[in-house]
Amino acid sequence: AQKVTQAQTEISVVEKEDVTLDCVYETRDTTYYLFWYKQPPSGELVFLIRRNSFDEQNEISGRYSWNFQKSTSSFNFTITASQVVDSAVYFCALSEAWSSASKIIFGSGTRLSIRP
Amino acid sequence: DTEVTQTPKHLVMGMTNKKSLKCEQHMGHRAMYWYKQKAKKPPELMFVYSYEKLSINESVPSRFSPECPNSSLLNLHLHALQPEDSALYLCASSPGQGEYEQYFGPGTRLTVT
Repeated sequence: AQKVTQAQTEISVVEKEDVTLDCVYETRDTTYYLFWYKQPPSGELVFLIRRNSFDEQNEISGRYSWNFQKSTSSFNFTITASQVVDSAVYFCALSEAWSSASKIIFGSGTRLSIRP
Repeated sequence: DTEVTQTPKHLVMGMTNKKSLKCEQHMGHRAMYWYKQKAKKPPELMFVYSYEKLSINESVPSRFSPECPNSSLLNLHLHALQPEDSALYLCASSPGQGEYEQYFGPGTRLTVT
């Protein structure tokens, strides 16, 4: 069975601090996809990144970076120099995919609060 | 344009009412989804449509009835709901064929009285 664990329920840091959100996943599939989504208080889920199981390259996008390690089944997300606008719930997710659609399993989410 | 739109934004309905939620995307995506999200919980998948055909029904009660009139539109018909059905209902779409990230709409916040 597939499972995503986000052990950190809530994190609170002061603005400009770096913060890492942890994500551990379980799957028996050899091909799978990992995602991070941001859900601000407005409610809309915003897609941040997709990583394919066969691509272990880390990725950086501005202040955001992602560390994918198959050996530890982890896909962690780091925000550098955090800002108040980063306050949101962040979901890590895992997908099994077939030809034309995907079934996403979400972790329980980490609520991130950035204090000014 | 990576936008999924949903109407209405808010809906209050009684247990005997019939209402519908609407979702629209113009990105040419071939898969569309309905999710239900309760407060402080992750989204829960309800239905998946692939190429306008229902692919997955996650054992959703029959008082929720999905419909996909064409590749851009997805409806969720509601009838005889219970107060515990109050939640945020999210629609999403995905390109398919090797691109599986889902793009979400802003949601409809439903209250059943």
